[in-house]
Amino acid sequence: GDSVTQMEGPVTLSEEAFLTINCTYTATGYPSLFWYVQYPGEGLQLLLKATKADDKGSNKGFEATYRKETTSFHLEKGSVQVSDSAVYFCALDYGGSQGNLIFGKGTKLSVKP
Amino acid sequence: EAGVTQFPSHSVIEKGQTVTLRCDPISGHDNLYWYRRVMGKEIKFLLHFVKESKQDESGMPNNRFLAERTGGTYSTLKVQPAELEDSGVYFCASSPLQGAYSPLHFGNGTRLTVT
Repeated sequence: GDSVTQMEGPVTLSEEAFLTINCTYTATGYPSLFWYVQYPGEGLQLLLKATKADDKGSNKGFEATYRKETTSFHLEKGSVQVSDSAVYFCALDYGGSQGNLIFGKGTKLSVKP
Repeated sequence: EAGVTQFPSHSVIEKGQTVTLRCDPISGHDNLYWYRRVMGKEIKFLLHFVKESKQDESGMPNNRFLAERTGGTYSTLKVQPAELEDSGVYFCASSPLQGAYSPLHFGNGTRLTVT
């Protein structure tokens, strides 16, 4: 079945470091891909999305490109801040049903000043 | 606008007891979803309401779980009787549109511990 695999955490970085969180997926169709973020004490928020191959999603300095050839959607940010400390979830939209999301296990990011 | 509200934020119960979780979606959102994250595992879809109707309940683990959304407003998720493996964080999410993708708005979750 469809699935999402993301790199195990936790990831600890110093402020202004470069961030990459790897995400790969398995899907029978052509899913939309998402990154959600959960800040401490809050619910999940949509960070960015891409709906088709080669699309690049971006928000708050984060970017991810939908790579069909490598079935990947890696999250990157050039310079992280302490406020980026959170858990990041990669997800795909299952069969276009819009809301039946398949999530990865989440990657906890801690950014130190 | 008020966000998705879940109650309680934490619940600790003994095996065999009953627990009811509540979700108040954003006003006007017809779509309501329940998800669950068991410790160390992925967030898993449980079910989807459109207004008061169950659109998809393929993720419900077994018949100990009962979800309702009477009147198409708030929703409850009852676990009866609770088992140890039901421990985890239960998330509710809502969205306003069907047909075009609209981001889900998640609540903060209810952390359920079954002892």
